[in-house]
Amino acid sequence: GQQLNQSPQSMFIQEGEDVSMNCTSSSIFNTWLWYKQDPGEGPVLLIALYKAGELTSNGRLTAQFGITRKDSFLNISASIPSDVGIYFCAGQGRRMEYGNKLVFGAGTILRVKS
Amino acid sequence: NAGVTQTPKFRVLKTGQSMTLLCAQDMNHEYMYWYRQDPGMGLRLIHYSVGEGTTAKGEVPDGYNVSRLKKQNFLLGLESAAPSQTSVYFCASSYPSSGGAKETQYFGPGTRLLVL
Repeated sequence: GQQLNQSPQSMFIQEGEDVSMNCTSSSIFNTWLWYKQDPGEGPVLLIALYKAGELTSNGRLTAQFGITRKDSFLNISASIPSDVGIYFCAGQGRRMEYGNKLVFGAGTILRVKS
Repeated sequence: NAGVTQTPKFRVLKTGQSMTLLCAQDMNHEYMYWYRQDPGMGLRLIHYSVGEGTTAKGEVPDGYNVSRLKKQNFLLGLESAAPSQTSVYFCASSYPSSGGAKETQYFGPGTRLLVL
């Protein structure tokens, strides 16, 4: 089945630093989504990408859909304490019987040192 | 709009007991999903539904059953709970009937289940 490799598994960074994380797949995806999960909460959608090469920003967050359709990255600029959480990538593959099943990465745990 | 809500928030079960987790959405979404989240494994799809009265198996369906009798509700049942089903369960929905991105899923706050 389709699998996503998300890296790094965790990060511990200084407040104000930029952060970068990425996901790669052995399969082609048509859609990439990036979610953030705060402790004790459900994942919240940050950015959705629908076209290869697409670069989309949401405030301090920027994500790109890789040209090969097999990868995506998320950048956070000037990190702040509230950026703490788990970030998940999710992808939807080309062939769908029905429904819109997503494949999720294992997550990147972000910890910010204030 | 409340979005996606889940009940209960937390539950402790003994091995062999049964329970039903309820998910409700008020966004008029066609598709609904049940996931479980375990440490280091991300989210894994248990079952999903593409419309009222229809359900399908996901990646890890064994030990669970679901029903979608009403469009806004998606129930997840555990007939005989096992310790391996200790997890955090998330419901999600997508694809508004009025149109829009099918892939964008919106998640509930989760149900934490402990099976002893």
